[in-house]
Amino acid sequence: DTEVTQTPKHLVMGMTNKKSLKCEQHMGHRAMYWYKQKAKKPPELMFVYSYEKLSINESVPSRFSPECPNSSLLNLHLHALQPEDSALYLCASSQGPGRSYNEQFFGPGTRLTVL
Amino acid sequence: KQEVTQIPAALSVPEGENLVLNCSFTDSAIYNLQWFRQDPGKGLTSLLLIQSSQREQTSGRLNASLDKSSGRSTLYIAASQPGDSATYLCAVRRIIQGAQKLVFGQGTRLTINP
Repeated sequence: DTEVTQTPKHLVMGMTNKKSLKCEQHMGHRAMYWYKQKAKKPPELMFVYSYEKLSINESVPSRFSPECPNSSLLNLHLHALQPEDSALYLCASSQGPGRSYNEQFFGPGTRLTVL
Repeated sequence: KQEVTQIPAALSVPEGENLVLNCSFTDSAIYNLQWFRQDPGKGLTSLLLIQSSQREQTSGRLNASLDKSSGRSTLYIAASQPGDSATYLCAVRRIIQGAQKLVFGQGTRLTINP
């Protein structure tokens, strides 16, 4: 299985809602990533988890809260979002965090719309 | 700060042509460079990964080169097909705080006309 899956595919939420995005991989990868992508822009890194520990937070607002319950699963909890947070949220994984572990595999993304 | 630039931003060619997409980066201290393809509203599909010690990688009709000293990479697509229409992104890999960080270019939006 060389796939990263993300659910849901689409999500519409109000600014007062609480929702979660889910990402799963069964490749035995030990590093997982969240990216945000606005229309016609490249992906921007948000968070990196290495061996289930948060290793990079790219100064992301606290209304985004990541969680890595185990090595196969990555969640992104959303609360009190703003309309400008509407974007495609991409999850990726790689074999390990360091330079010896190279390729990142991306999921299909969750299209988030904040009303 | 690493900056990655892709030229051109958009390219439209007739089917069957060979074409070259360009990627340049400002800091040569990279571990490797990865080319991706992205269809509208979809995730990224990895095409080729070139290690910093390599000069070239090939997969089918795709060939990617890397000249680390000059900060350049090219993606060559042979005998283009309408199904190749997509946005192509290059990304350089750095290690920060013991973790991978991909720095992406803005992408080249490619259209192959039948």
